[in-house]
Amino acid sequence: GAGVSQTPSNKVTEKGKYVELRCDPISGHTALYWYRQSLGQGPEFLIYFQGTGAADDSGLPNDRFFAVRPEGSVSTLKIQRTERGDSAVYLCASSSMTGRGKNIQYFGAGTRLSVL
Amino acid sequence: GNSVTQMEGPVTLSEEAFLTINCTYTATGYPSLFWYVQYPGEGLQLLLKATKADDKGSNKGFEATYRKETTSFHLEKGSVQVSDSAVYFCALSDQSGGSYIPTFGRGTSLIVHP
Repeated sequence: GAGVSQTPSNKVTEKGKYVELRCDPISGHTALYWYRQSLGQGPEFLIYFQGTGAADDSGLPNDRFFAVRPEGSVSTLKIQRTERGDSAVYLCASSSMTGRGKNIQYFGAGTRLSVL
Repeated sequence: GNSVTQMEGPVTLSEEAFLTINCTYTATGYPSLFWYVQYPGEGLQLLLKATKADDKGSNKGFEATYRKETTSFHLEKGSVQVSDSAVYFCALSDQSGGSYIPTFGRGTSLIVHP
């Protein structure tokens, strides 16, 4: 597509449940990033993919959070045993590693996760 | 580590007023600096950037100059419009391990009244 697409746009779940958030990056972008944005805060880095592999997952808060990108395109952020503190907007961004737009991140509109 | 500090909002202005949003940073290396804008219901968009000292980034009437001596990257616009109402994020990144993972400030909300 023309931009980064994230689905769903909103997700409401109950404490303890498992959720998956999807990111479809701009076609051809090899780099993909996940961020978490809490109310009144800037985006907080979670994980970065270069191709299929997680090049940097130092921002994942604990082992309940996991992300995959099996074919180097679409990525899924997975949260197990959700807690109320996981409620936030989860942002995805992608970037090209070549050309004029090198390293410029293009963001999706985000998924608003609410854990009740 | 890296950090970015922005002035707290909201900043409320009348149309055609002059805008300044302050941003200062702390970095261990020699970073690139960015301003992103987030319009209601949309994702962050890159507004402008500067990659070295004294560079001026500009876009849509907005400007910011990379000041290494004061570690600042203040955003300015001479005459704001209602359509500029959004949240503005200052950010920095350096090439750490081959990636350009940015560090963001908390964001400053701008509200422009007609």
